[in-house]
Amino acid sequence: DIQMTQSPSSLSASVGDRVTITCRASQSIASYLNWYQQKPGRAPNLLIYAASRLQSGVPSRFSGSASGTDFTLTIASLQPEDFATYYCQQSYSIPFTFGPGTKVDNK
Amino acid sequence: QVQLQESGPGLVKPSETLSLTCTVSGGFIRNYYWSWIRQPPGKGLEWIGYIYYSGVTNYNPSLKSRVTISLDTPKNQFSLNLSSVTAADTAVYFCARVGYYGSGTYPTFDYWGQGALVTVSS
Repeated sequence: DIQMTQSPSSLSASVGDRVTITCRASQSIASYLNWYQQKPGRAPNLLIYAASRLQSGVPSRFSGSASGTDFTLTIASLQPEDFATYYCQQSYSIPFTFGPGTKVDNK
Repeated sequence: QVQLQESGPGLVKPSETLSLTCTVSGGFIRNYYWSWIRQPPGKGLEWIGYIYYSGVTNYNPSLKSRVTISLDTPKNQFSLNLSSVTAADTAVYFCARVGYYGSGTYPTFDYWGQGALVTVSS
C-alpha cells in the first residue's frame, strides 16, 4: 500500500493568513493526488484533483502543487468558512489511501 | 445534480454482518465506479472498495476477506456487506462516486453521501 503522511497534523491560523499543508507519498504517485476539505458532521468535499487542478466551484484561493512525492495545498487568504480538516488522497494505485488529515482551527 | 444517500441499521452486534445501501439520484449508476469509504469516530478516512456498473469489484486488502459490494442497477443502488464485525468496525460509512477528471485520467471521489454511523455493540 502507498502510505500518505501530512504535516502539520493541526495548525492555528487567523482569517486572512496564508496557510500551507504538506502531503508526502511513500512512493511515486505521479500527479494522482487529490485534496478534500471536511467539516464536522459532513462528508469530505473535493477541492483539488491531479495535484494542482481546481475542482469546479472551488474558490481560487485554494491551490495545489507538487514536487516529486511531496504535495502542497495552499490557501492564499484564509476565510471563516475554511476552518476544517484537510485530507490528501492518492488515486495512483489500489488500495486508494488517505493522509491522516490536517485540522485548521481559529487562532 | 447527483445525490447519494446511505441507509441501513445504525447498530450491529459483534460477529454479525453490517449491511448498508446507497441510493443514487439525479444520475445513473451506468458508466461509473461506486465506492464505500469509512471513518471511525474522530479518525481518518479508509477506502473500503468499489464496484463498476459492469459488476467488477476491487476491495481494500485489509478488509477483502469480509467485504462484498454489490449493485442493483434497476433501483440505482449499490450495497455494502461487511461480515464478522467487531467494535473496530464502528464508523461513519460513506458512499461515494468515483469520478474521472482530466480527460478521464484521474480518479476522484467527487460526490458523497452524508454518511451513516454504524455502531458495533452488543
